[in-house]
Amino acid sequence: DVKVTQSSRYLVKRTGEKVFLECVQDMDHENMFWYRQDPGLGLRLIYFSYDVKMKEKGDIPEGYSVSREKKERFSLILESASTNQTSMYLCASSGTGVNEKLFFGSGTQLSVL
Amino acid sequence: QKEVEQNSGPLSVPEGAIASLNCTYSDRVSQSFFWYRQYSGKSPELIMSIYSNGDKEDGRFTAQLNKASQYVSLLIRDSQPSDSATYLCAVMIKSGGYQKVTFGTGTKLQVIP
Repeated sequence: DVKVTQSSRYLVKRTGEKVFLECVQDMDHENMFWYRQDPGLGLRLIYFSYDVKMKEKGDIPEGYSVSREKKERFSLILESASTNQTSMYLCASSGTGVNEKLFFGSGTQLSVL
Repeated sequence: QKEVEQNSGPLSVPEGAIASLNCTYSDRVSQSFFWYRQYSGKSPELIMSIYSNGDKEDGRFTAQLNKASQYVSLLIRDSQPSDSATYLCAVMIKSGGYQKVTFGTGTKLQVIP
């Protein structure tokens, strides 16, 4: 069974902390994505990657960075967490075909206090 | 202008009726279009994908794409209470290895028994 695994389901951090959200996929997918989901705002794209060490800014990259050192792992980094980064974070991966669907992880609910 | 726009709803339909969900997108180079269903507290799951103009049917679901009007829709026939969920429209732009997937804010569907 295909899997996208996010390291934590719930996470509580303090403002100013450096936060790492990890995502691992076992499908040998080239593409990986980080979204955040907030009520009424849908899924907003933070960063995406289409190959190892390749990364592209999405629509809301401010305050975030990413790392993709290995094909199966895509990490989201909050350099200095702030309360407005409290959100549900969803990782997804996909293959390279034109009709490739996204496989989602189960999400990480991050609370920044 | 948002890249992908949807009416947030809620859209209420009686059981057995046809539910019609709509989505518009702004970027003409968009190539593939997806409808995801998301139940509360769960990750999105793919319902339909479409990349050619016209209709695509799968069981009770029909996706319709009109690239000239930059419009994609989802029809759900014989709506069931279990169809009550948020429906997310997604648009993919692909160029070489680069693959970006952007979501709308979602439409909440309520099917009334």
